[in-house]
Amino acid sequence: QVQLVQSGTAMKRPGASVRLSCKASGYFFADYTLHWLRQAPGQRLEWVGWINAGNGNTKFSERFQDRVSITGDTHATTVYLEVRGLRSEDTAVYFCARETAVVMAPTPMGIGYWGQGTLVTVSS
Amino acid sequence: EIVMTQSPLSLPVTPGEPASFSCRSSQSLLHRNGYNYLDWYLQKPGQSPQLLIYLASNRAPGVPDRFSGSGSGTEFTLTINRVEAEDVGTYYCMQALHTPRFSFGPGTKVEI
Repeated sequence: QVQLVQSGTAMKRPGASVRLSCKASGYFFADYTLHWLRQAPGQRLEWVGWINAGNGNTKFSERFQDRVSITGDTHATTVYLEVRGLRSEDTAVYFCARETAVVMAPTPMGIGYWGQGTLVTVSS
Repeated sequence: EIVMTQSPLSLPVTPGEPASFSCRSSQSLLHRNGYNYLDWYLQKPGQSPQLLIYLASNRAPGVPDRFSGSGSGTEFTLTINRVEAEDVGTYYCMQALHTPRFSFGPGTKVEI
């Protein structure tokens, strides 16, 4: 079955960087797009960016594109999110999640698989 | 930027009774292929979100048939025809048309 297992809780100082991981299993890694999203305490979900796991192409929300990068390792079937220049407002639970449909599908079918979430706390 | 709004923000429900709530987009979510790129997610307390409905009206695999989605363009509705206790949580709509920035509504919190 599809599983997305994320790395553990991180506590960082303002200005630092954090690298989160998401280990995928139970499917052919290169056929799907993976998203990173986040949810600040008591707030709505917010989309951060995505990666086409097959070719490594990425897209980001314009809110983050100068501070984040997403990479993938097809051998390790793992995707990574790096956030630089952390601020207190970056305190959130970060989720990785996979599209239901394959990359080449004619229409999307929602984001059907989610990791358990990683809490990142930014505090001095 | 596409702005998603939802109403109500909080909804008390009674098990066995129907419930519905709305989602509105600041721009049309109707793709030229005829599909509306609007999804619904449920986030139960302390859990990751789960997909309920994609393309406005298609139930995701394993989702009970008491959930249904409707609407087109900028106005959408999620309906639970008979609420069960396990349906409590926050329901989010998400637009997937105006990428790369997917955007979510503020959520409707459903409580028994």
